[in-house]
Amino acid sequence: AQKITQTQPGMFVQEKEAVTLDCTYDTSDQSYGLFWYKQPSSGEMIFLIYQGSYDEQNATEGRYSLNFQKARKSANLVISASQLGDSAMYFCAMRERSQGNLIFGKGTKLSVKP
Amino acid sequence: DTGVSQDPRHKITKRGQNVTFRCDPISEHNRLYWYRQTLGQGPEFLTYFQNEAQLEKSRLLSDRFSAERPKGSFSTLEIQRTEQGDSAMYLCASSSIIPGQGARVYEQYFGPGTRLTVT
Repeated sequence: AQKITQTQPGMFVQEKEAVTLDCTYDTSDQSYGLFWYKQPSSGEMIFLIYQGSYDEQNATEGRYSLNFQKARKSANLVISASQLGDSAMYFCAMRERSQGNLIFGKGTKLSVKP
Repeated sequence: DTGVSQDPRHKITKRGQNVTFRCDPISEHNRLYWYRQTLGQGPEFLTYFQNEAQLEKSRLLSDRFSAERPKGSFSTLEIQRTEQGDSAMYLCASSSIIPGQGARVYEQYFGPGTRLTVT
């Protein structure tokens, strides 16, 4: 079964508007971490934001925030005030405490329109 | 500094040849990971090391693949008898893990990747 599901293959957003990228996950572990990475066309994976399963507050990093709904097993990324440079692939990932590696979703391609 | 570096950035090889990639992690990081990413997919885990010990290997890592991290610093990933299906981006990442930190799960920092093309 897929552990990370990103249902939006592609998204468009107007510059300066906010956009939400969806991510749902599946795990039986109580302790886990959720991550979002950005991958521009250059190929490098850039860490954006992290949410721990025991964190009570939603994580925020600058224009990025993570809408964490534990009961629904969702960890959506919200990008506020989109910029042209935000155009990239975005990957949601999970690390279970019992594992060392990250499990990635298939990604969402975000295109920011001027 | 220095983030994670990988060498080479691109490699074109003929089917049946052996190739070796190198990864230099962030210096204070004790964990090092290898992932493979094919077109249109997210990265898939191959293997990871804590210091020099290889702690986990994915089923994706066939007998033709071998990884080492001999002194707990840089790592190499070798693919023997390459096949066209090995064509992919090979990503290396590193992170720190501190025993006793409980549920904290540390972010992994990725290198620029090595793009392998097998002709």
